[in-house]
Amino acid sequence: GQQLNQSPQSMFIQEGEDVSMNCTSSSIFNTWLWYKQDPGEGPVLLIALYKAGELTSNGRLTAQFGITRKDSFLNISASIPSDVGIYFCAGQSPFGSARQLTFGSGTQLTVLP
Amino acid sequence: DVKVTQSSRYLVKRTGEKVFLECVQDMDHENMFWYRQDPGLGLRLIYFSYDVKMKEKGDIPEGYSVSREKKERFSLILESASTNQTSMYLCASSFMNSPLHFGNGTRLTVT
Repeated sequence: GQQLNQSPQSMFIQEGEDVSMNCTSSSIFNTWLWYKQDPGEGPVLLIALYKAGELTSNGRLTAQFGITRKDSFLNISASIPSDVGIYFCAGQSPFGSARQLTFGSGTQLTVLP
Repeated sequence: DVKVTQSSRYLVKRTGEKVFLECVQDMDHENMFWYRQDPGLGLRLIYFSYDVKMKEKGDIPEGYSVSREKKERFSLILESASTNQTSMYLCASSFMNSPLHFGNGTRLTVT
């Protein structure tokens, strides 16, 4: 299947700092999604992006769909302790089954007080 | 709010046992999915179904089968569990091409 490279794998930051993570692919996607997984829970959708160049915010979170359609980033501003968790990007290919998503390997975020 | 319920949070099984993981959703979604989550590998698709009695292989179907007899229920079956199937299993559902809604996962340990 397709591969998504998500980086960084893990981050340790101080409370109040901004965070940035990104995903890149060798092939194009027509949808990018960002999910967050709290410890012991399933992933929950944070932001969905449907158009190249789209920039979308959800509170302190901002995500962008890259112009090339091969990348996306997620920024978190002014981090707080409840931001701890694993963040996943996911892409939906314009080819093959439209129902299938390809997931990145995740970014484990730790926020230090 | 969409609710995807996985019947067990934790399971411990022995090598060679037949294992059933059950998933139920309450929003009449036609699409249902089974993923496994392993550290450093993200979520990998095992099987998915877009209608009752329909199923399609995902990226890692070997050693697994699925059953979708009713629209709301999607079961993952390990015919003969092996230790390399120790993992977190996540069920998800969706409507048309909308984003997935996940259950809370089943952590399976095969000894």
